Amino acid sequence: AQSVTQPDARVTVSEGASLQLRCKYSYFGTPYLFWYVQYPRQGLQLLLKYYPGDPVVQGVNGFEAEFSKSNSSFHLRKASVHWSDWAVYFCAVSIVAGNKLTFGIGTRVLVRP
Amino acid sequence: ETAVFQTPNYHVTQVGNEVSFNCKQTLGHDTMYWYKQDSKKLLKIMFSYNNKQLIVNETVPRRFSPQSSDKAHLNLRIKSVEPEDSAVYLCASRDWGGAQDTQYFGPGTRLLVL
Repeated sequence: AQSVTQPDARVTVSEGASLQLRCKYSYFGTPYLFWYVQYPRQGLQLLLKYYPGDPVVQGVNGFEAEFSKSNSSFHLRKASVHWSDWAVYFCAVSIVAGNKLTFGIGTRVLVRP
Repeated sequence: ETAVFQTPNYHVTQVGNEVSFNCKQTLGHDTMYWYKQDSKKLLKIMFSYNNKQLIVNETVPRRFSPQSSDKAHLNLRIKSVEPEDSAVYLCASRDWGGAQDTQYFGPGTRLLVL
């Protein structure tokens, strides 16, 4: 069965600094990978997703992620964080034969002024 | 407006009561989901329906039952709620195109069981 690990439960970053959120997946084939963001008291919104192809994926609001098959990873990055990026970020995996998303535990991002 | 809508936003009830949550999507999708998000933000799928047919049924207590009248609606009923049912319930929908398709989420229904 597929699984997702987000090793950092919480990340604190200064506004304007760069951000990297880690995600590792476990699946023997090539999965489809997603990053979602959840702002306070809201549902989940898609930031970006990966299909087999270019390993670097561009998303909304300046986010990008890089897929690595050798490391089984799909890390999320942003060059310059804004206070509005204060949220919980979820990495998720979907497999070809599956009908569901499997989520990591989420990483809470706190932005210092 | 095309989106996933959930009602109510918030519900407080007592142990043993029955509750029902509604979800409607206007995206024209074939597949709908219910997820439970606990107090630690952990997200777990509960059910998935494709065109009114149950296709995913994770291990959830029998007091939970999904109900679908058509492919745009998927409701969730909980008979005799327990304290551990306090959580946010998120509804989502997706095209039946494949695993690569994006799931779109509603804002959630927050349940508090006293």
